[in-house]
Amino acid sequence: QQQVKQSPQSLIVQKGGISIINCAYENTAFDYFPWYQQFPGKGPALLIAIRPDVSEKKEGRFTISFNKSAKQFSLHIMDSQPGDSATYFCAASTMGQGGKLIFGQGTELSVKP
Amino acid sequence: DVKVTQSSRYLVKRTGEKVFLECVQDMDHENMFWYRQDPGLGLRLIYFSYDVKMKEKGDIPEGYSVSREKKERFSLILESASTNQTSMYLCASTGGAGGPYEQYFGPGTRLTVT
Repeated sequence: QQQVKQSPQSLIVQKGGISIINCAYENTAFDYFPWYQQFPGKGPALLIAIRPDVSEKKEGRFTISFNKSAKQFSLHIMDSQPGDSATYFCAASTMGQGGKLIFGQGTELSVKP
Repeated sequence: DVKVTQSSRYLVKRTGEKVFLECVQDMDHENMFWYRQDPGLGLRLIYFSYDVKMKEKGDIPEGYSVSREKKERFSLILESASTNQTSMYLCASTGGAGGPYEQYFGPGTRLTVT
């Protein structure tokens, strides 16, 4: 049973545009929502994360928007650059689970120059 | 600097072989994880370990086993490899200064079973 659903599966954006990736979850006990970024040939790496007590978190060009009532969260990449081309995974976790994460299906982002 | 290493980047094995994938972390992390990554399916948890000699099944443990004899090392074992186990395998660890939730990943092992 997929507890975190991610869309779209792939995304093509022009340089300077906004990339938006969406995730929806089912388990209301989740209390930590990270996004991981994976470049070809590398393992995923933490990009940005949010807890459900805030509705938005921004780090540079990357922003997470969180809607607790809708059980949805999204990643926005402003002024997208070719160097942002990677696969992005959303995830969710519950405190006390030893860091165990439930990942979404992944989004392959391509930013065209 | 945080480091998770995996014994092989690429591996080709025959159906029925016993396969060992090794993972080592140098961060003194308590928790270690094995995932497989397949297109369109994301990262799926195979097994994880909270401590030495401790292991728990993840979402897709069938056909796999694990071993954690030392804190820094977590091994994934395919008892009898099958073609449907052809995949990218990722090891991760968490704990320490980064907090309880950030997972640090190795570069992955791409396994092909023929």
